[in-house]
Amino acid sequence: DAGVIQSPRHEVTEMGQEVTLRCKPISGHDYLFWYRQTMMRGLELLIYFNNNVPIDDSGMPEDRFSAKMPNASFSTLKIQPSEPRDSAVYFCASSRAGRTGSNNEQFFGPGTRLTVL
Amino acid sequence: QKEVEQDPGPLSVPEGAIVSLNCTYSNSAFQYFMWYRQYSRKGPELLMYTYSSGNKEDGRFTAQVDKSSKYISLFIRDSQPSDSATYLCAMLRIQGAQKLVFGQGTRLTINP
Repeated sequence: DAGVIQSPRHEVTEMGQEVTLRCKPISGHDYLFWYRQTMMRGLELLIYFNNNVPIDDSGMPEDRFSAKMPNASFSTLKIQPSEPRDSAVYFCASSRAGRTGSNNEQFFGPGTRLTVL
Repeated sequence: QKEVEQDPGPLSVPEGAIVSLNCTYSNSAFQYFMWYRQYSRKGPELLMYTYSSGNKEDGRFTAQVDKSSKYISLFIRDSQPSDSATYLCAMLRIQGAQKLVFGQGTRLTINP
């Protein structure tokens, strides 16, 4: 299994530009999570999906952020317009359904390091 | 107040030392407790998993949960330079949203 795949690995953009981050979860996983990690705030959950449906987007900072999951093998996180304070590492993670044993394990991708100038 | 509190460190110890990492939490609904390890410029990986209270041992690693004190610990025995990483605690409620609540993470360095 290739694990969770994210692209791009690095993104440098200028303030005001649109940024799109991509994620391919592990095949067979029912849950997909988007996180943001900074030194100041640690790892924050932005949004998560169950069977392609957004369940909780309470962590999305503002309307500039949007996420979609058009099918079970692909998700995007979009920032429009981007701002310097959006600079962070964005992780995608996936997990199986259920709550017992190792089903709770979330498998993380390598992350996208975003720099907004 | 954050639901999960974790000292961000950094923590630096000599090789072979016993390391103790800790988290406190405020929500008694948490029943699943995990420790993730994150190497530099990598995503977090699950290291240990515990349900409810008690201890769990895996090689040099021991996870402890004290629900009465709302306190969890990760012990690393005979620490190695390869254990140098950031360790994040994470917790999950027994019902409701399937989302982990993470601590801030503690950056650990084991010096040869």
